[in-house]
Amino acid sequence: DAGITQSPRHKVTETGTPVTLRCHQTENHRYMYWYRQDPGHGLRLIHYSYGVKDTDKGEVSDGYSVSRSKTEDFLLTLESATSSQTSVYFCAISPERISNQPQHFGDGTRLSIL
Amino acid sequence: DQQVKQNSPSLSVQEGRISILNCDYTNSMFDYFLWYKKYPAEGPTFLISISSIKDKNEDGRFTVFLNKSAKHLSLHIVPSQPGDSAVYFCAATGYGGTSYGKLTFGQGTILTVHP
Repeated sequence: DAGITQSPRHKVTETGTPVTLRCHQTENHRYMYWYRQDPGHGLRLIHYSYGVKDTDKGEVSDGYSVSRSKTEDFLLTLESATSSQTSVYFCAISPERISNQPQHFGDGTRLSIL
Repeated sequence: DQQVKQNSPSLSVQEGRISILNCDYTNSMFDYFLWYKKYPAEGPTFLISISSIKDKNEDGRFTVFLNKSAKHLSLHIVPSQPGDSAVYFCAATGYGGTSYGKLTFGQGTILTVHP
């Protein structure tokens, strides 16, 4: 999708391995978010960033860390992946917390942990 | 603790008819609501929103209604088209407090529009 790219799009890995997902934006938006989508839960916020090196926890942050060293990149890391972290992960961006430009989502990363 | 609930996992309608998707919320700090639409293998795309100072917002075939006293909102699609077949997510956030700017999503409703 224009303006936001997630990589990889698919990944299969084993329990206990570290995994890093990348979100790259070309919109120069201040806010970036990581969500996971699971059946029966909709999308749940993991972490978000409100600027370079400024991040905060969301609803389901345990087992995840994030980093934002540049405006355009927001990384999500699973230090030691567990099967419960098998999910579809979405990155979103927005210029402000609430604005006439609502959060715009990438196409997701499907992560399977065996 | 599901603060935003979409109690209908699926909805099936005939092309040309009205689709009504419902959403309930419990957090009284929520005062801005959004609907997103999601196709398989794609990210959610924004559809329409409403602020708590309004009770209705319309955009083409899509209308969102908000009943603050009942903590209930609904999305009406008229007329429904086969291309509307997707998963619809209701989301809520607040202009203040701990929910400021953070979206809380419902579980989603799968809409199928039959030709």
